[in-house]
Amino acid sequence: EDQVTQSPEALRLQEGESSSLNCSYTVSGLRGLFWYRQDPGKGPEFLFTLYSAGEEKEKERLKATLTKKESFLHITAPKPEDSATYLCAVQAIYGNKLVFGAGTILRVKS
Amino acid sequence: NAGVTQTPKFRVLKTGQSMTLLCAQDMNHEYMYWYRQDPGMGLRLIHYSVGEGTTAKGEVPDGYNVSRLKKQNFLLGLESAAPSQTSVYFCASRRDNQPQHFGDGTRLSIL
Repeated sequence: EDQVTQSPEALRLQEGESSSLNCSYTVSGLRGLFWYRQDPGKGPEFLFTLYSAGEEKEKERLKATLTKKESFLHITAPKPEDSATYLCAVQAIYGNKLVFGAGTILRVKS
Repeated sequence: NAGVTQTPKFRVLKTGQSMTLLCAQDMNHEYMYWYRQDPGMGLRLIHYSVGEGTTAKGEVPDGYNVSRLKKQNFLLGLESAAPSQTSVYFCASRRDNQPQHFGDGTRLSIL
């Protein structure tokens, strides 16, 4: 059974304090690992797709990396507007579905 | 370009009542999905569709039915609502080999 575990559940940072969010996964052949951002009262917004171990993608202050067992979302010098819930999901190689983790709630204080 | 639109945005039902949630997408996407999101549990897949006229069960399908009569619409039905179905419901769609795009959800309370 495909599984995704995200840690920590919640993270509080000061503005400018860099950190990382973790996504550990087990899947029967990885087709893709997805990161989404979700603001309160809104639907998830797509950030990145990673396909193979060693792959990295960047967008502004965010950088996502992938190994065979986990993915990290690195946040460099975060700002208050980066506050959101970050969701990780995997898609198996022969599947049409995503399996989501429970998410990490990030709060960045100025 | 509206993307994925969910109707209604909020609804309160009494136990035993029925209702239908509507998801409409204007991106000509083949795949559509219904999820529920509960605190601490992330998004769980209820039902999904890989094309017009097709439906399939997800992780938590009991108590729900779906229909995809038109490519752009995916309907989620609750025949006899129960308090355990109080949740936020999200619809998503995608084309092949692309990420899912989500609507902004329907907040459903069942008393």
